[in-house]
Amino acid sequence: EAQVTQNPRYLITVTGKKLTVTCSQNMNHEYMSWYRQDPGLGLRQIYYSMNVEVTDKGDVPEGYKVSRKEKRNFPLILESPSPNQTSLYFCASQFILPGLAGNEQFFGPGTRLTVL
Amino acid sequence: AQSVAQPEDQVNVAEGNPLTVKCTYSVSGNPYLFWYVQYPNRGLQFLLKYITGDNLVKGSYGFEAEFNKSQTSFHLKKPSALVSDSALYFCAVRFKAAGNKLTFGGGTRVLVKP
Repeated sequence: EAQVTQNPRYLITVTGKKLTVTCSQNMNHEYMSWYRQDPGLGLRQIYYSMNVEVTDKGDVPEGYKVSRKEKRNFPLILESPSPNQTSLYFCASQFILPGLAGNEQFFGPGTRLTVL
Repeated sequence: AQSVAQPEDQVNVAEGNPLTVKCTYSVSGNPYLFWYVQYPNRGLQFLLKYITGDNLVKGSYGFEAEFNKSQTSFHLKKPSALVSDSALYFCAVRFKAAGNKLTFGGGTRVLVKP
C-alpha cells in the first residue's frame, strides 16, 4: 500500500530534551516536506526537500532541523524543544514530474507533540 | 506574498442539502489550486485540484470545485451532503513563480447533521 508513515504518533516531552520524528514514504517521491498545524493557521511549512541531500527552509524553520540521506526518509529533529513547538506535525511527499506545482501531496497520519 | 483565505471557520449543513466551502486566494498570475480533507485523527487527503482548462473540477467522494479567476475564488461544493462528510477542509494554492510553495488556508470545519 502506498503510504507515508510517521513515528511516533503521539509524544509528550519536556523542554530541552532532543527528539526526532521519523517520516518514511514508499512511493519513490522526490519531494518531501514537514508542516505544523495549529488551530486557525492551517498548515505551515517547516522544511522541504527536493531530493536526497537537498533541503531548504519553509516558512517556520526556527528550532527545527531535517536531513535527507535516503530518498524514502525525511526525519524532523528538534534539538531543544520548547513549549511553543507544541503542535500537530505532518510529513508529506509528492512527485516532482511532470510538474512540481501541479502534483498533489500525500500526507502522513500526523504526530501530536506536546512540550512541557 | 501569496495567501489563501477560508472565511468560515465552520459550516453547518443538514444531510441531503448542498454543501459549499469557500476559498479565495490573493496572488497575481496563474495558480494551481487544491482541496484537501482531514478526518479526525488522520492526515490530509487530496480531494481535487485545478491546474488548467475547464473551470469546473470534479474530485473524490462527489465533490467539485469551481475556479473563478475574476473573483480569485475556488469554492468547494457537493450537491447533497452526507454525515460522513463532516471533517476539516483545507484549500491550498501554489505558484510556479513563488518557488512552488504550497500555501494553505486556515481550514473550515464542516458539520453535517442528520
